[in-house]
Amino acid sequence: DTGVSQNPRHKITKRGQNVTFRCDPISEHNRLYWYRQTLGQGPEFLTYFQNEAQLEKSRLLSDRFSAERPKGSFSTLEIQRTEQGDSAMYLCASSSITDTQYFGPGTRLTVL
Amino acid sequence: KQEVTQIPAALSVPEGENLVLNCSFTDSAIYNLQWFRQDPGKGLTSLLLIQSSQREQTSGRLNASLDKSSGRSTLYIAASQPGDSATYLCASLTGTASKLTFGTGTRLQVTL
Repeated sequence: DTGVSQNPRHKITKRGQNVTFRCDPISEHNRLYWYRQTLGQGPEFLTYFQNEAQLEKSRLLSDRFSAERPKGSFSTLEIQRTEQGDSAMYLCASSSITDTQYFGPGTRLTVL
Repeated sequence: KQEVTQIPAALSVPEGENLVLNCSFTDSAIYNLQWFRQDPGKGLTSLLLIQSSQREQTSGRLNASLDKSSGRSTLYIAASQPGDSATYLCASLTGTASKLTFGTGTRLQVTL
């Protein structure tokens, strides 16, 4: 069990560019979650997958955001046409059903 | 919609003191409640998970309680140490059991 990993750890981009983040969950976990955290706030739910199926999406996830989890393994979160308001820490977590959610170290996005 | 509140927002105590962090939630129909620790710029570390049928959980110097009827949870830290300095977040798992709703956290500083 190597824990949840996320890449890259930091990403700096210019407004209008596309970015993609990757999350590798704990191998036996069938649930994978994405959250976004801004400074001084708690994480906010974005979306979650059970195996390869995306079962719920927050209204925070505008049409510029897309997430995938091919074959129920790793997941990617893509943000198109980034805006300064997208600057945040993007956190990934995995779990087994309603058990403890284990979080990765996060990807810090800065949009200039 | 679940709302989670944490009081106080910040707390400073001298080393060795026992302390209590408070968490309240509006929707008592929770599956579980988790307490996390977050160091600056880092991801979340799970501390304790209390299932909805449980009243408390203990791990080392940490004890978390849950009172669903009043919508409250507390995290008790015994004999605080400078290494306990971090932000502590509580989160409830509700709805379709797909997402955690977080409070804004309590920033704890333990001084020498």
